[in-house]
Amino acid sequence: AQSVTQLDSQVPVFEEAPVELRCNYSSSVSVYLFWYVQYPNQGLQLLLKYLSGSTLVESINGFEAEFNKSQTSFHLRKPSVHISDTAEYFCAVSDASGTYKYIFGTGTRLKVLA
Amino acid sequence: GAVVSQHPSWVICKSGTSVKIECRSLDFQATTMFWYRQFPKQSLMLMATSNEGSKATYEQGVEKDKFLINHASLTLSTLTVTSAHPEDSSFYICSAPGNTEAFFGQGTRLTVV
Repeated sequence: AQSVTQLDSQVPVFEEAPVELRCNYSSSVSVYLFWYVQYPNQGLQLLLKYLSGSTLVESINGFEAEFNKSQTSFHLRKPSVHISDTAEYFCAVSDASGTYKYIFGTGTRLKVLA
Repeated sequence: GAVVSQHPSWVICKSGTSVKIECRSLDFQATTMFWYRQFPKQSLMLMATSNEGSKATYEQGVEKDKFLINHASLTLSTLTVTSAHPEDSSFYICSAPGNTEAFFGQGTRLTVV
């Protein structure tokens, strides 16, 4: 079984400042890792994913995350945030068998301040 | 990418009635679909795995007689909340696995009054 921990429930940050949203996971098997964003009253949008290969993955809107197997982490970072990045961010894990049956973290609410 | 359509996007029902939520994979087949529930300001909790042509698999603590799941075809899974009560009010969202990720429906906000 897998579990995901997002230690920060809320992260306030000023516009154009950098941000890091932390995600740690636990699993006895190989995993795939994902970051999703959820805007109010909407569904989930995939930000980025790690399946294999390069441990640094990037999204088209400036986010990146690095898979660190030794620290069992998959932290999300952005060097300069915008007001429009205000949303709920969920880290998720699935086993690497390809079922894509996700276990989600508790979420981090990113609030970008003007 | 692949599209999963969920309907309705929101529903209000009276306590004691049943509500059906549909989840369709529009451009791919899904022998498995997943149903999640999200309470306000909380995370998404996996409720059950819907299996085409066989019984659903429910997570611990989820009442299978209350949350009926049917996966009658390779593109459609339904979740019926039976005898709904106000505590069932929540955001329900389905997903279907693709080749490299799961694809999510838009979600259904259920309000039981």
